[in-house]
Amino acid sequence: DAKTTQPTSMDCAEGRAANLPCNHSTISGNEYVYWYRQIHSQGPQYIIHGLKNNETNEMASLIITEDRKSSTLILPHATLRDTAVYYCIVLNYGGSQGNLIFGKGTKLSVKP
Amino acid sequence: GAVVSQHPSWVICKSGTSVKIECRSLDFQATTMFWYRQFPKQSLMLMATSNEGSKATYEQGVEKDKFLINHASLTLSTLTVTSAHPEDSSFYICSASWTSGNDEQFFGPGTRLTVL
Repeated sequence: DAKTTQPTSMDCAEGRAANLPCNHSTISGNEYVYWYRQIHSQGPQYIIHGLKNNETNEMASLIITEDRKSSTLILPHATLRDTAVYYCIVLNYGGSQGNLIFGKGTKLSVKP
Repeated sequence: GAVVSQHPSWVICKSGTSVKIECRSLDFQATTMFWYRQFPKQSLMLMATSNEGSKATYEQGVEKDKFLINHASLTLSTLTVTSAHPEDSSFYICSASWTSGNDEQFFGPGTRLTVL
């Protein structure tokens, strides 16, 4: 599975959009981009995933570049409860779901 | 929907004892369950993958005789840490998926194990 690169940390003002980037330059054609987040001392929470089209759900939007080498997770109106570590993971379709390789992620701090 | 629970949420035990952690999918049948371990300020590391009714597949470096995994039903998997030692103190997290394909995993809240 392709590796991902994320900034170590980011700050965001409450109520503003949080844009979390992820580079996955070695992604292959059948690999999806997944985003999870982990609030301190809790289990990870699924946010969103996509292949090549932009995706949106009630939690976030996922923007994937045309060459699929990078993506951005957008939290449109960040709240204090969105403070967490956000993990970007690429996963082979049909491969073992267990190979969710969690990198260090981005620690997002939402400030009042 | 898609809720996964773990029990206990935290446990303290003496060195040399065994500890069992349960992972349950409350509202769906989990074909596959996964066990992760997370040390302080580190990311999650997959320990093993288990499919209902078959033996678990362990990641490299994880001792299968020390971390016993049982996935006897589609809603329950257990992880037993045998002869626990202080270095086994960690946050253990399970997840469940209703298929073995490309669906999201649903994570439990985690179990914090402290071995004295």
